Amino acid sequence: QLQLQESGPGLVKPSETLSLICSVSGGSISSSSYYWGWIRQPPGKGLEWIGDIYYTGRFNYNPSLQSRVTISVDTSRNRFSLKLISVTAADTALYHCASHNSTVVTPGDNWGQGSMVTVSS
Amino acid sequence: QSALTQAASVSGSPGQSITISCIGTSSDIGRYNYVSWFQRHPGKAPKLIIYDVTNRPSGVSHRFSASKSGNTASLTISGLQADDEADYFCSSYTSSISYVFGTGTKVTVL
Repeated sequence: QLQLQESGPGLVKPSETLSLICSVSGGSISSSSYYWGWIRQPPGKGLEWIGDIYYTGRFNYNPSLQSRVTISVDTSRNRFSLKLISVTAADTALYHCASHNSTVVTPGDNWGQGSMVTVSS
Repeated sequence: QSALTQAASVSGSPGQSITISCIGTSSDIGRYNYVSWFQRHPGKAPKLIIYDVTNRPSGVSHRFSASKSGNTASLTISGLQADDEADYFCSSYTSSISYVFGTGTKVTVL
């Protein structure tokens, strides 16, 4: 069973870059069996899919965020990351990393508990 | 892409059945058979309970069932139990090559 754990700064200043890492255990980030993705939930609001990536590097991003987001895979450390540039208070959210089997079309069949990120000066 | 619409809350007594609806559009639920349902207990990671409209992952109780008609998907919980008290939200693949989530429904077991 895959286990995912988010990590990163809990506070980011406006206009700076939000960076989060998702460490994967119980499976290989290089496996052809999984997609790796990020989902967020602002306080008091619904979930928003950010994007996902396959081990080959092929990615899909939410059109509303694609100009600011990068998801990448670090095979040497068995983890993947999220970078979101030019953040504003609207990017304050609980950020989940997730994986899903490559044969299943779903945002995630395995989720991390989430990492809260606040954008504030 | 607007969020899928769910009732804010649904409640039922132990043993009863409840149904949660998820209303989308012809660009998401109406177009693809890629509706998922998730359960989230407070402080816990969301858990996938339904994928591809009707399929249950291994280990998920048969008390959870789901369907779709037109632009609306539905999740039914039969034989309601105390542990079913949680937030439930739907999601769908969309024509924008992305996913959209529902607004979420809080289920209360009376």
